[in-house]
Amino acid sequence: EAQVTQNPRYLITVTGKKLTVTCSQNMNHEYMSWYRQDPGLGLRQIYYSMNVEVTDKGDVPEGYKVSRKEKRNFPLILESPSPNQTSLYFCASSSRDLNEQFFGPGTRLTVL
Amino acid sequence: AQSVAQPEDQVNVAEGNPLTVKCTYSVSGNPYLFWYVQYPNRGLQFLLKYITGDNLVKGSYGFEAEFNKSQTSFHLKKPSALVSDSALYFCAVRDNVPGRRALTFGSGTRLQVQP
Repeated sequence: EAQVTQNPRYLITVTGKKLTVTCSQNMNHEYMSWYRQDPGLGLRQIYYSMNVEVTDKGDVPEGYKVSRKEKRNFPLILESPSPNQTSLYFCASSSRDLNEQFFGPGTRLTVL
Repeated sequence: AQSVAQPEDQVNVAEGNPLTVKCTYSVSGNPYLFWYVQYPNRGLQFLLKYITGDNLVKGSYGFEAEFNKSQTSFHLKKPSALVSDSALYFCAVRDNVPGRRALTFGSGTRLQVQP
């Protein structure tokens, strides 16, 4: 089954404790992206990657890091999480034409 | 910069009635337009897209959308709403400028279909 998986699905952590949210896709997609969803703001793009070792900032990259060492994986790293990063995070992937993005189930992160 | 506006936070409609969810956009160049739906506790699912061609685009679950270049709009429509259509709907846009890859989403419109 074609899918995008994210882990963990739920995470509660404390300020300053480094964390990683994993994202993996099995569709051989070139493009992968991370979004955060906040009430009234829709989805805002954090980082995206057009291919292995190619990443670029989206609209809200501050406080986040990403890497793309393998085509299928695109982890999101929070080196020092803060409460304003409490949000619902989605990973997405698509083929090169970007005409349809496939979304993961989401990761609900709470930073205390 | 590209942007999307969904002017209604919520749309209420009775089952069996037609529904419209509004979206307007702003891009440089020709737009690529999308509608996604989000059911509770789920990720977003693709509904339909406009790239080029006919202004009326048909998508999943009986939804369609009409591209209007002069009004820079891409409203989502369905002739007869179902209770199961109740969800959060997002409009998204990107331009076709070479090298630009970011997709911009609207703030979302919650559709409530009453039985």
